[in-house]
Amino acid sequence: AQRVTQPEKLLSVFKGAPVELKCNYSYSGSPELFWYVQYSRQRLQLLLRHISRESIKGFTADLNKGETSFHLKKPFAQEEDSAMYYCALRAPTGTASKLTFGTGTRLQVTL
Amino acid sequence: EPEVTQTPSHQVTQMGQEVILRCVPISNHLYFYWYRQILGQKVEFLVSFYNNEISEKSEIFDDQFSVERPDGSNFTLKIRSTKLEDSAMYFCASSLQDTQYFGPGTRLTVL
Repeated sequence: AQRVTQPEKLLSVFKGAPVELKCNYSYSGSPELFWYVQYSRQRLQLLLRHISRESIKGFTADLNKGETSFHLKKPFAQEEDSAMYYCALRAPTGTASKLTFGTGTRLQVTL
Repeated sequence: EPEVTQTPSHQVTQMGQEVILRCVPISNHLYFYWYRQILGQKVEFLVSFYNNEISEKSEIFDDQFSVERPDGSNFTLKIRSTKLEDSAMYFCASSLQDTQYFGPGTRLTVL
């Protein structure tokens, strides 16, 4: 079975502070991991995928297979980063395979 | 940039009634999905669809649910006899390969 755990419902940080949104997964194999973001009243948008190894809006995430983690990090939080962040896992068993989501973490960046 | 669209944005129905939620996936995408999110809970996979047939479905997707691609553009989710517990946000998604793009959602309220 595949499972994604995001232990924090809410993470509140000051502007300019570092951010780390935690994500742990359970999957017997090599999954594909994603971070989706949902800004207020907007749709779920793809932020990062682990296979791309890119930085989007200053965010990075590294897949740690030993710790089964895919934490999302940003060195300096901005007000516009305030949103819901969802970690998701996809089994590489076929192109139409489902995403399994975590419960999400609300990031609140304050002045 | 092309986007997935969904109608209506909000649907209110009486328990036992049938509802049809509509989605227009991104035009060149081949794989289609429905997810739902009950208030305060995680986004859950319902069903995936490819080449005019269901690829995968979850335990939630019982006989009350059905999906259809009636023409070249729409992708619909039908709930035959709604229950109170069907109240949720329903998200449609589409993909060309492994990255899924989400619609804005339809909020279904069953009274």
